[in-house]
Amino acid sequence: KAGVTQTPRYLIKTRGQQVTLSCSPISGHRSVSWYQQTPGQGLQFLFEYFSETQRNKGNFPGRFSGRQFSNSRSEMNVSTLELGDSALYLCASKRSSGGWNTELYTEAFFGQGTRLTVV
Amino acid sequence: AQSVTQLDSHVSVSEGTPVLLRCNYSSSYSPSLFWYVQHPNKGLQLLLKYTSAATLVKGINGFEAEFKKSETSFHLTKPSAHMSDAAEYFCVVTISGSARQLTFGSGTQLTVLP
Repeated sequence: KAGVTQTPRYLIKTRGQQVTLSCSPISGHRSVSWYQQTPGQGLQFLFEYFSETQRNKGNFPGRFSGRQFSNSRSEMNVSTLELGDSALYLCASKRSSGGWNTELYTEAFFGQGTRLTVV
Repeated sequence: AQSVTQLDSHVSVSEGTPVLLRCNYSSSYSPSLFWYVQHPNKGLQLLLKYTSAATLVKGINGFEAEFKKSETSFHLTKPSAHMSDAAEYFCVVTISGSARQLTFGSGTQLTVLP
């Protein structure tokens, strides 16, 4: 069974540009979340999608956006890149039925991440 | 709001000696708790999870953790460290109502000395 796949693995962009990262979840998983990992802030939640709908959003500016397609694949976009956006971006998928109680104990499976460097 | 505190940013042990990585959580509701490991330039791998079925949870690679509600702790242990255990470990909490969002501790970097 294939794991969570993130592409590309590495990206170098210039300040002011925009970038799109892609995530393919494990087959059958309908929930996809995104996290930003930096040395200073650690791992922070960006947003979560289920059945093409954003269900939850972290405390990030509007430059960070995402979407999910009907096949559960997800993309996140960062516009007007800043140096501080340099980070490892991790995608996670969960087998989710949509119910709060079952999701409480459902583990997330992570991809290897996309390393974004803004210069 | 829920939060999780990893009490040590760095832990260093000798190969073959026990490992203890400490985690305390704060939650007004019954939480679910996880430990993840991250090897350099890799994603996060689940070690174990607490689901309220049992307070002592066994995970992969010989790791286990004990949920202690009275101490709000979920410490990770392993009887004998191996060189391949060197990595960063994250304690993670979710609570009912925010189960779609993982809250991570700041991480503990484990070094295993030969």
